[in-house]
Amino acid sequence: KAGVTQTPRYLIKTRGQQVTLSCSPISGHRSVSWYQQTPGQGLQFLFEYFSETQRNKGNFPGRFSGRQFSNSRSEMNVSTLELGDSALYLCASSLRRGSSYNEQFFGPGTRLTVL
Amino acid sequence: KQEVTQIPAALSVPEGENLVLNCSFTDSAIYNLQWFRQDPGKGLTSLLLIQSSQREQTSGRLNASLDKSSGRSTLYIAASQPGDSATYLCAGNPYSGAGSYQLTFGKGTKLSVIP
Repeated sequence: KAGVTQTPRYLIKTRGQQVTLSCSPISGHRSVSWYQQTPGQGLQFLFEYFSETQRNKGNFPGRFSGRQFSNSRSEMNVSTLELGDSALYLCASSLRRGSSYNEQFFGPGTRLTVL
Repeated sequence: KQEVTQIPAALSVPEGENLVLNCSFTDSAIYNLQWFRQDPGKGLTSLLLIQSSQREQTSGRLNASLDKSSGRSTLYIAASQPGDSATYLCAGNPYSGAGSYQLTFGKGTKLSVIP
């Protein structure tokens, strides 16, 4: 079974631009979560989607948004990029939510550099 | 708000040594706790998932324990090998009445196994 895939793997943008990152979960997984990883803050939760609905959102500004499609694939968008948005963006998928059996599986990440 | 702490931040051991990585969390109301491994510039690889009702889980040379009452988890690595060199992250999956579902990560322990 294929793992979580993320595209693109690397992105270079300039301040003020916007960017869209894509995540394809493991087949059959319906929950997709996004995390931002930076050297200073570590891994921080962005949001979670389940059945095309955002179920939970972390403490990030409204410039960060996302969506989930009917096939469980997810995209996240960052508008008006700032230098501080440079980070590794990780997507995770899980079979279900709200269960102690629920194991999160992560993709390889998208490395975003904002110049 | 859940906080996860990992001590030490870095650890260097000779090959063949047994070692323990520590993780503490402030809120014992968790669905489960997950240990991950991250190689430089890569995504996260799930190592072990301990459900809230379990005390420990084992996979090969790895053994993870969970003590919710004290808010602690440990990852034991037996007979360490140079290939074990990576950053190890623990993450708690808290639950609340609102159905919050997200992982809260520690900053990780960077392990170096010296041949």
